[in-house]
Amino acid sequence: RKEVEQDPGPFNVPEGATVAFNCTYSNSASQSFFWYRQDCRKEPKLLMSVYSSGNEDGRFTAQLNRASQYISLLIRDSKLSDSATYLCVVLGGGGADGLTFGKGTHLIIQP
Amino acid sequence: DAGVIQSPRHEVTEMGQEVTLRCKPISGHNSLFWYRQTMMRGLELLIYFNNNVPIDDSGMPEDRFSAKMPNASFSTLKIQPSEPRDSAVYFCASKDRGGNEKLFFGSGTQLSVL
Repeated sequence: RKEVEQDPGPFNVPEGATVAFNCTYSNSASQSFFWYRQDCRKEPKLLMSVYSSGNEDGRFTAQLNRASQYISLLIRDSKLSDSATYLCVVLGGGGADGLTFGKGTHLIIQP
Repeated sequence: DAGVIQSPRHEVTEMGQEVTLRCKPISGHNSLFWYRQTMMRGLELLIYFNNNVPIDDSGMPEDRFSAKMPNASFSTLKIQPSEPRDSAVYFCASKDRGGNEKLFFGSGTQLSVL
């Protein structure tokens, strides 16, 4: 099993809709979790951290389920500008200084 | 702050040539990472440094790859000799180990080996 797995997509979603995608991780000792956003031909940038209690930032909500070892990202009222690749990042248990990146989920918001 | 600065932005070279990629991390950050990204394999860690010391280079694919960090403000990734399969986007990233796990990436170097 890969350390961090994501559905590559693409997810084609109409503007204004709600979309959610998950990321599973294999190491139960993982400590912290993040979502990064990567636009086409650009570098990844931190979107939000994921806390045990879940957290919300505007239209974005991140959840952590330690029992099932997955994190999720929910985007409400999606905008055209949300089109990007969303990378799941897990800290702890391997990778660079503990950071392991998923391959990303490609999201396309359609007008 | 100018962020993580990488050069060149694009590099096109012929197989067998030496390629040197450069990175200037954010001032004050003491961890530096080199990643390679391709469609097939996603973002792969090549090597990372803490306080200018290489900590984990297990991701360096072959002896053709080498990385140095002579001081806190500069790092290089060298490929010699380059091969077509090395074609990818190479990212440098830095972070502060003082409890903040936020990783800042440079704009990347698009490498094409013909």
